[in-house]
Amino acid sequence: NAGVTQTPKFQVLKTGQSMTLQCAQDMNHNSMYWYRQDPGMGLRLIYYSASEGTTDKGEVPNGYNVSRLNKREFSLRLESAAPSQTSVYFCASSERPTGGNSNQPQHFGDGTRLSIL
Amino acid sequence: GENVEQHPSTLSVQEGDSAVIKCTYSDSASNYFPWYKQELGKRPQLIIDIRSNVGEKKDQRIAVTLNKTAKHFSLHITETQPEDSAVYFCAASFFSGSARQLTFGSGTQLTVLP
Repeated sequence: NAGVTQTPKFQVLKTGQSMTLQCAQDMNHNSMYWYRQDPGMGLRLIYYSASEGTTDKGEVPNGYNVSRLNKREFSLRLESAAPSQTSVYFCASSERPTGGNSNQPQHFGDGTRLSIL
Repeated sequence: GENVEQHPSTLSVQEGDSAVIKCTYSDSASNYFPWYKQELGKRPQLIIDIRSNVGEKKDQRIAVTLNKTAKHFSLHITETQPEDSAVYFCAASFFSGSARQLTFGSGTQLTVLP
């Protein structure tokens, strides 16, 4: 099993360009997440999908949109990229929403390093 | 939402010594506290987690303790080795929107000196 696969691994964009980051998991997980990681700020949740057919905003959703294409795939779109969106983006998945009455750890992909000039 | 504070931001220890990283959280309803290790340029990987009905959990050289009353939890690494050098993140779960989510601390850069 590959786990969580993200594409591309690296990307450079110009301000105003659009782009979609792809994420797929092969663990039959119900929940998927998009985070951004900036130096000294840990991981911040952008959007999540608790189950197929649902999406919700996280802590920093402005400037992003998501699509839960099916149970395996969860994409993140930047409609008009801005330099402030330069970051490393991680996708993660868990069997069910994290927390609650059972342990549901999140498993991360390798990340997409995105630079916006 | 949840606020998670992590200290220290950097920690250097001699090989063989112990390392302790501490986190505090704000939401008393948080019930799940994972710890992730991230090596340079790699993905975060879960190393240990604890639920709110347990006060301590151990896995070989790694242990986590939880004090619900004080709303803080700590990671303890004993007999540190150079391969323990990495950034460590704590996290706490909270309920928002349609499901529980994780809020992460800002990370601790651990360096184990040979």
